[in-house]
Amino acid sequence: DAGITQSPRHKVTETGTPVTLRCHQTENHRYMYWYRQDPGHGLRLIHYSYGVKDTDKGEVSDGYSVSRSKTEDFLLTLESATSSQTSVYFCATGQGTNSPLHFGNGTRLTVT
Amino acid sequence: GNSVTQMEGPVTLSEEAFLTINCTYTATGYPSLFWYVQYPGEGLQLLLKATKADDKGSNKGFEATYRKETTSFHLEKGSVQVSDSAVYFCALTLSYNTDKLIFGTGTRLQVFP
Repeated sequence: DAGITQSPRHKVTETGTPVTLRCHQTENHRYMYWYRQDPGHGLRLIHYSYGVKDTDKGEVSDGYSVSRSKTEDFLLTLESATSSQTSVYFCATGQGTNSPLHFGNGTRLTVT
Repeated sequence: GNSVTQMEGPVTLSEEAFLTINCTYTATGYPSLFWYVQYPGEGLQLLLKATKADDKGSNKGFEATYRKETTSFHLEKGSVQVSDSAVYFCALTLSYNTDKLIFGTGTRLQVFP
């Protein structure tokens, strides 16, 4: 287990409010990822990071931003939440070069 | 583009039955292939992987063979248990210095005693 903690585990928020999800890892993995999981879509990559302050967009990045100020923390921010962002969000970490990803237990976000 | 296609679920089996979950892929290069499993309320865990053609990944009685000629990576198990009930995701990566994964939609397996 890579020691990945996601917080909060559950959140309900209203449309238009900002939301920040946190991912904390204790394994010193270089790469960190945010995915969202939706029925019929599997997991889709939102953003990822390849080092402190180094981030890049995934396939579904619109409406999301990320920050990584320390190796162990990767934050996902919804600047103005919309109902289409209701989903389960997973953080993952990896060491690169086709090593397996380690996943957190997810954050269930509901936007009303 | 690069993509993964999995069979629709749920797959419903009796204990000790044979399992096959189909997975095919489309990729522009030479992907590595993975099966991940998600138990209820948890994140995904790596089940097995194969990094080149004809490789066979195996773990916990599950197997999958990387078939380049049919662009497939079907998951099999000879005798399933109730504890195998979960959602199974096929995935690929084409990245050589990151682990960005492209996932299939997942297949739910339900095993009844």
